[in-house]
Amino acid sequence: GQNIDQPTEMTATEGAIVQINCTYQTSGFNGLFWYQQHAGEAPTFLSYNVLDGLEEKGRFSSFLSRSKGYSYLLLKELQMKDSASYLCAAHTDKLIFGTGTRLQVFP
Amino acid sequence: DTGVSQDPRHKITKRGQNVTFRCDPISEHNRLYWYRQTLGQGPEFLTYFQNEAQLEKSRLLSDRFSAERPKGSFSTLEIQRTEQGDSAMYLCASIRDTGNTIYFGEGSWLTVV
Repeated sequence: GQNIDQPTEMTATEGAIVQINCTYQTSGFNGLFWYQQHAGEAPTFLSYNVLDGLEEKGRFSSFLSRSKGYSYLLLKELQMKDSASYLCAAHTDKLIFGTGTRLQVFP
Repeated sequence: DTGVSQDPRHKITKRGQNVTFRCDPISEHNRLYWYRQTLGQGPEFLTYFQNEAQLEKSRLLSDRFSAERPKGSFSTLEIQRTEQGDSAMYLCASIRDTGNTIYFGEGSWLTVV
């Protein structure tokens, strides 16, 4: 079967660092996407990891371990506007999404 | 604006009516996906096209749902005899075969009353 797991909710403080984990089990895996989604809006692309390792893009970094079926999204210097849902998606011939992690950033 | 357009953005319909959504992907993108998303859930795969060919349709998709991409450009998703459980946001996304970024449209919200 195909399965994506990520925590349902997380909270953090403005200026802090938060790591959102994602584990996956799929067939025909090509890579791992992370999307940000604000309430009532469509998902917006954050990152795509194909190879093992860490990719950094400004305040956001994403990590992939293909052998462990594991990824994480790291958000640094949190801002209030980072309060959103973060969707992990395995890329096979389509995207298979987890339920999303709702992140609340408090002042 | 990702370049993927969806229309209408919002639709309220009575139960039993038919509705159709349209998606215009980024012009050079040959793969097009339809997803459905309800509150508190991640997007759920419905179907996808490679050019004009519909390559996969989710088993979750009942016979009331049909999608087309007649010329390999825009796509339509039709829901016949709508039910209240069809209320959701319908998302379209596209990618080039050789691409590494899947772009989503802004979604079409459906409310069945």
